Order: sequence, then structure tokens, then C-alpha cells
Amino acid sequence: DTAVSQTPKYLVTQMGNDKSIKCEQNLGHDTMYWYKQDSKKFLKIMFSYNNKELIINETVPNRFSPKSPDKAHLNLHINSLELGDSAVYFCASSQVRGDSPLHFGNGTRLTVT
Amino acid sequence: AQTVTQSQPEMSVQEAETVTLSCTYDTSESNYYLFWYKQPPSRQMILVIRQEAYKQQNATENRFSVNFQKAAKSFSLKISDSQLGDTAMYFCAFMRRGSQGNLIFGKGTKLSVKP
Repeated sequence: DTAVSQTPKYLVTQMGNDKSIKCEQNLGHDTMYWYKQDSKKFLKIMFSYNNKELIINETVPNRFSPKSPDKAHLNLHINSLELGDSAVYFCASSQVRGDSPLHFGNGTRLTVT
Repeated sequence: AQTVTQSQPEMSVQEAETVTLSCTYDTSESNYYLFWYKQPPSRQMILVIRQEAYKQQNATENRFSVNFQKAAKSFSLKISDSQLGDTAMYFCAFMRRGSQGNLIFGKGTKLSVKP
């Protein structure tokens, strides 16, 4: 009965490859997010989707592209991976209500070699 | 732009004692929310407590409570009766009302609870 699940948990790949991280939520939330946590544990929003529409797109390289097939899923595709992309990527979801807290997945540790 | 500062990179506390983690923020907004998230070694991000800026009463969740000082832009977290399972990174976060989940995080405080 996991609320926000993302796969894979770990991803090790070489520079230049293309990879995807999948995220699904079963909370019935309207909005989903991708956050990045760097090697110093700093967390920052990357994207926000509401009902399959992009509403926040922070300054990230366009090699990163979110895809939302329906409001319960938000996948992250990364093209031409670089060493600096190594990080933990968190998916999250929330209701549209302004005070609704975010529920996070367990994160995907991406290592680019 | 909003910023969140956690001035204590690391802290430790003895089991059963009380510890307070500091957080200050900078904003010109009047409607916002504040959160504390916990990240144990398992990496999961867990919501500990939240506070609406328009509420003067400090939020409380079991052993966790906050001291919210709006004028001082301070939002500290107090953990009472610390338990070994409280060992984790703690992140303070700010969210402007209407920002659709755009949380601004501090850099975190690593808390170690010692037996």
C-alpha cells in the first residue's frame, strides 16, 4: 500500500546514456513533483505537474524531461547523462490545496560513471 | 526570493533528553507554510510537522513541537524524550501559499541520538 513509489531505487549508468525513473502515487493527489538532492543533501524542486500539465519548471537542463501519462504517474527522462547528474531524485505528490504537504517517494540514487 | 537557513549542520543528544533544532527564513510574503521533514538513513523524506503562518498557535505532533516566531522569522523544532529512531537529517522548509508545492529547503541538520 505504498503511497508514492518510484523505480528503480538505484541506477548506475555511464556518461552519455539515456535513462528513465518512474513514479506512481496511489493517494489520488492532483499534483506531482520531481526534486533533486545533491551530494551535500541539498533539495531543490525540478518540476511540478498538475493534472498532467507542467506548472513549474525550474532551471534544469533540457536533457531532463518529465512525462505524465496520467495524474497518478510522473516519469523523469534524462538524456545524455553527465557526471554532474549524479544525485538522489525524489518524486512527490500533494493535493492542489495550498497547505497540502508533500508526500515523498523513497528516492532514486543515480550514479553516473 | 525566499531563503531558509539552518545554522546547525550537526547536533547530538542523549536518549530521553530534549533537543531544539534552529531554522530561520527570509521572505517578504505574508501567507506561507513552514515544514520540518525528517530523512533517516533509509533516505525516505518524512513529514514531521507543519505550521501555517497565519496561525499564532505553535504546532505540536506528539513529541515534536515548534516555536514559531513570525516577526523574527524563526521556526525551531523541539524534540522531547529523544529516541534512537529520531536519528536523521532534519530539513526545515518554506512554501509560499499558492506556489503549488515549491518547497524551499534549508541545508539540513544531522541529528544523532546517543544511547
